[in-house]
Amino acid sequence: EDKVVQSPLSLVVHEGDTVTLNCSYEVTNFRSLLWYKQEKKAPTFLFMLTSSGIEKKSGRLSSILDKKELFSILNITATQTGDSAIYLCAVVRGSRLTFGEGTQLTVNP
Amino acid sequence: GAGVSQSPSNKVTEKGKDVELRCDPISGHTALYWYRQRLGQGLEFLIYFQGNSAPDKSGLPSDRFSAERTGESVSTLTIQRTQQEDSAVYLCASSPIPWLIPNYGYTFGSGTRLTVV
Repeated sequence: EDKVVQSPLSLVVHEGDTVTLNCSYEVTNFRSLLWYKQEKKAPTFLFMLTSSGIEKKSGRLSSILDKKELFSILNITATQTGDSAIYLCAVVRGSRLTFGEGTQLTVNP
Repeated sequence: GAGVSQSPSNKVTEKGKDVELRCDPISGHTALYWYRQRLGQGLEFLIYFQGNSAPDKSGLPSDRFSAERTGESVSTLTIQRTQQEDSAVYLCASSPIPWLIPNYGYTFGSGTRLTVV
């Protein structure tokens, strides 16, 4: 059975801190891994990763995939209160996404 | 439309009643997904439609759940004889042909929060 495990499940930091969110997976026929940010109801797309070792970057957020060790990390530097959200990791296998439980990030002023 | 539209945004229903949730995908998106998210949990796959192919219903938790989609347009998710454990946010997502389009991902709607009392 496919498994996606995220850690930590929750994290509280102060503005300006740097955080690293982890996602490990066990999936047959892996195609790609996606990161989403969920603030209220609708998850919003952050990154799609298909190749190992290539960092994707968007502003203060970056992510990288390791297909040998079967994990991905999402880094957020100089965190802001607006970064407070649930960060979801999902792997694509065939026609569906399998999601992890998410990491609840709280950034305090 | 510009995004994935879901209705209603909130629904409170009595146990045992049927409910119908609607999803209007982005125009031109051939793939449509339904997911369920219980409080404090990740997203749970329910069903997937791709164009006119037979849907992948393998995630539907029981025969009380069903979904339909006509062509590449609106989809409805129906839950019959609702139970309290059906309370969750039901999210719909759409995509052009997935996995062939790098750096795109899936676009989610804002979801329907279903509360069964």
